[in-house]
Amino acid sequence: EVQLVESGGGLVQPGGSLRLSCAASGFTFSNYEMNWVRQAPGKGPEWVSYISSSGSTTYYADSVKGRFTSSRDNAKNSLYLQVDSLRAEDTAVYYCARVSRLGSQHFDYWGQGTLVTVSS
Amino acid sequence: DIQMTQSPSTLSASVGDRVTITCRASQSISSWLAWYQQKPGKAPKVLIYKASSLESGVPSRFSGSGSGTEFTLTISSLQPDDFATYYCQQYNSLWTFGQGTKVEIK
Repeated sequence: EVQLVESGGGLVQPGGSLRLSCAASGFTFSNYEMNWVRQAPGKGPEWVSYISSSGSTTYYADSVKGRFTSSRDNAKNSLYLQVDSLRAEDTAVYYCARVSRLGSQHFDYWGQGTLVTVSS
Repeated sequence: DIQMTQSPSTLSASVGDRVTITCRASQSISSWLAWYQQKPGKAPKVLIYKASSLESGVPSRFSGSGSGTEFTLTISSLQPDDFATYYCQQYNSLWTFGQGTKVEIK
């Protein structure tokens, strides 16, 4: 069974940092591209970041570019998102999501999410 | 950036109704569109990908159509489990979600 489990969220002051993690199981993690998606309270999902299966290629939404860094450790079946210079508008549930390998780049599995709250 | 616009924002319907949700892209995305269902406190779940392909395990009452800039999600006969919020997502150029359509009980 495919499982994605996020962790690392919490309450942080503006300007602070966190490292979010996503532990993958039930599939060959190194074969799959991965993404981070966030959802602010009462809002729709917002794509945040993409990372290729090898980790050599990353893309970011303009809203987080230069502040967030995505990485992965295929030996540990883990995905990471380093979030720096946090702002109030970064408050959201952060999900990791797997890219399908059906010749389509939609997200076929999602984790349960980890909440990041940015407040003083 | 490609913008996605869904309509309506809220839809009131009864069990057994046929329901249609529309999603428009700000530029052509070919058929690179997915539909997701989300319930409160849960992650989105994919229903349809490549505009009209049904994800494995999803009931056949869900269907998708369209290409280019205009797309629809249809639920042929609304069931109690279908009251939720639905999002479209383009993946022609990176990824963008629509703002959502909440399907409420009438």
